[in-house]
Amino acid sequence: GENVEQHPSTLSVQEGDSAVIKCTYSDSASNYFPWYKQELGKRPQLIIDIRSNVGEKKDQRIAVTLNKTAKHFSLHITETQPEDSAVYFCAAPSGGSNYKLTFGKGTLLTVNP
Amino acid sequence: NAGVTQTPKFQVLKTGQSMTLQCAQDMNHNSMYWYRQDPGMGLRLIYYSASEGTTDKGEVPNGYNVSRLNKREFSLRLESAAPSQTSVYFCAGTRGDEQFFGPGTRLTVL
Repeated sequence: GENVEQHPSTLSVQEGDSAVIKCTYSDSASNYFPWYKQELGKRPQLIIDIRSNVGEKKDQRIAVTLNKTAKHFSLHITETQPEDSAVYFCAAPSGGSNYKLTFGKGTLLTVNP
Repeated sequence: NAGVTQTPKFQVLKTGQSMTLQCAQDMNHNSMYWYRQDPGMGLRLIYYSASEGTTDKGEVPNGYNVSRLNKREFSLRLESAAPSQTSVYFCAGTRGDEQFFGPGTRLTVL
């Protein structure tokens, strides 16, 4: 099955700085890579995803990059704000189907005012 | 449109007791999932149902059973609860590739 490694496990930045979270995956057939954000005590919610036919996708202050050759993808948050503080999870499909995901262990991002 | 709902929100069990966690969705999802979330472990898939009438094991199925009662409802049963099953349980449904999560059930097994 798919193996997803996520780093770092915790990340602390100053407001306005950038944050980068990286994930690697093992199944070269994987073609869909979502990122979920989970605020304290809340449910995970999709914030951005990327498919294997593109190398980068942006949505305002967040972006995701994908390197299929190296089998890694990254989440980039620019101009961080305190409301970006949360746990972020990457995921990749397992078993050859996009509807079954393997999640990374998560990154706790803290943005200090 | 409530999305994905779960009951109960909180539950405390004694070792050996049984219980069923309920999940319902009104978003016409075909696929539904049960995850558990433990500190530092991310979201681990317990069971999933790709469509009404089918269920399959995920990464950590031992000690659990599921029922896809109809397209809307997907329940998770603990037959004999153990302290290792203390966790937060999330149900989810899929529309397209996006998974929509319920609010979670915090379960403590003493």
